[in-house]
Amino acid sequence: GIQVEQSPPDLILQEGANSTLRCNFSDSVNNLQWFHQNPWGQLINLFYIPSGTKQNGRLSATTVATERYSLLYISSSQTTDSGVYFCAVAPYSGGGADGLTFGKGTHLIIQP
Amino acid sequence: KAGVTQTPRYLIKTRGQQVTLSCSPISGHRSVSWYQQTPGQGLQFLFEYFSETQRNKGNFPGRFSGRQFSNSRSEMNVSTLELGDSALYLCASRGDTNNSPLHFGNGTRLTVT
Repeated sequence: GIQVEQSPPDLILQEGANSTLRCNFSDSVNNLQWFHQNPWGQLINLFYIPSGTKQNGRLSATTVATERYSLLYISSSQTTDSGVYFCAVAPYSGGGADGLTFGKGTHLIIQP
Repeated sequence: KAGVTQTPRYLIKTRGQQVTLSCSPISGHRSVSWYQQTPGQGLQFLFEYFSETQRNKGNFPGRFSGRQFSNSRSEMNVSTLELGDSALYLCASRGDTNNSPLHFGNGTRLTVT
């Protein structure tokens, strides 16, 4: 099946810093989503972005489908940004009916 | 609009028992999928239902099953529980189009003793 690798696995930053999280995937995808899991376990959808660039406030994401990677940018970090960030994909060959394959996540800690 | 609702939030069961978890999707969403999250294996896809039909299934043994009702509510069942089934079980719903994002519930934390 499709493989998803996220880097870095852990990241500790001071409040106000910027960060870039990376997601590499092993096959063509027709579905790529970024999620944030807060310390209480809730998974929040950040972006649906199988290709192109999107922005939502301090967060933005870019997926270069031809090179099989996606980047999540967080600017001016706040302590509430802490948690685990997951990239999840579904392969193009599945026709959209496959479940998502998740990476292992990037654990982000923002210190005040 | 209410989000995805999962019940119960916490469950403690004994090895060999069975358990049923419930999920109510966002109103209007006909697709419901289930995921298991463990520290060792991470987030893994269990199955997806759409209009009462199982559309896709992950790599889990037959002890894991599910169903969906006509109102799109879904249940998953795990029979003959094993210690390794201890996990956070997450339900998600989405709209009908393939580019609809997944919306997750708060999960049911199952502990098997």
